[in-house]
Amino acid sequence: ETGVTQSPTHLIKTRGQQVTLRCSSQSGHNTVSWYQQALGQGPQFIFQYYREEENGRGNFPPRFSGLQFPNYSSELNVNALELDDSALYLCASSPTGTSGYTGELFFGEGSRLTVL
Amino acid sequence: KQEVTQIPAALSVPEGENLVLNCSFTDSAIYNLQWFRQDPGKGLTSLLLIQSSQREQTSGRLNASLDKSSGRSTLYIAASQPGDSATYLCAVMPMGGGSQGNLIFGKGTKLSVKP
Repeated sequence: ETGVTQSPTHLIKTRGQQVTLRCSSQSGHNTVSWYQQALGQGPQFIFQYYREEENGRGNFPPRFSGLQFPNYSSELNVNALELDDSALYLCASSPTGTSGYTGELFFGEGSRLTVL
Repeated sequence: KQEVTQIPAALSVPEGENLVLNCSFTDSAIYNLQWFRQDPGKGLTSLLLIQSSQREQTSGRLNASLDKSSGRSTLYIAASQPGDSATYLCAVMPMGGGSQGNLIFGKGTKLSVKP
């Protein structure tokens, strides 16, 4: 069983640029959530995708957007990058609505974004 | 607004000690509580999940308890080892959040186990 995979692992951008981060959910998982973790902080919920629709959003501006594809993989897009966007971006998947669903989330290794 | 607090922020113990990490949350209306481990620069590894109707869960040397009424959870690590050194994060999923994936995290406890 393949776990949650994220790409790229590290990347460097400059202010004002745009970035796309990718996530493949764990096999059998239909829901993907994205989190931002600044240095020394706990992860903060960005949004969740279920059946290719955004299904819940945290306190993040519209320049943070996402997609979910029919195979349940997902993208996180951030436009007009700011210095404070430098963080570890974590993707998590879960089998929402399936038999035995417990609400447990399974996380990937993250994408480390540095904005200069 | 749900807030999660973890105490202490950092902890250093000699190998072999039993230890307790604390987590408190302000709203008892939770769907579940999860404990995670995070190694430096890495993702989150799920350790234990406690449903709102449960009081504790055990896995190997780890035991987590949940007291919803007082808004507290503890993670007990028995016979600590240097390999246990990591940051431990507590997170709650608000009631009604089962389909929204919105975990609310504490800032973590950074554990260092000295040989």
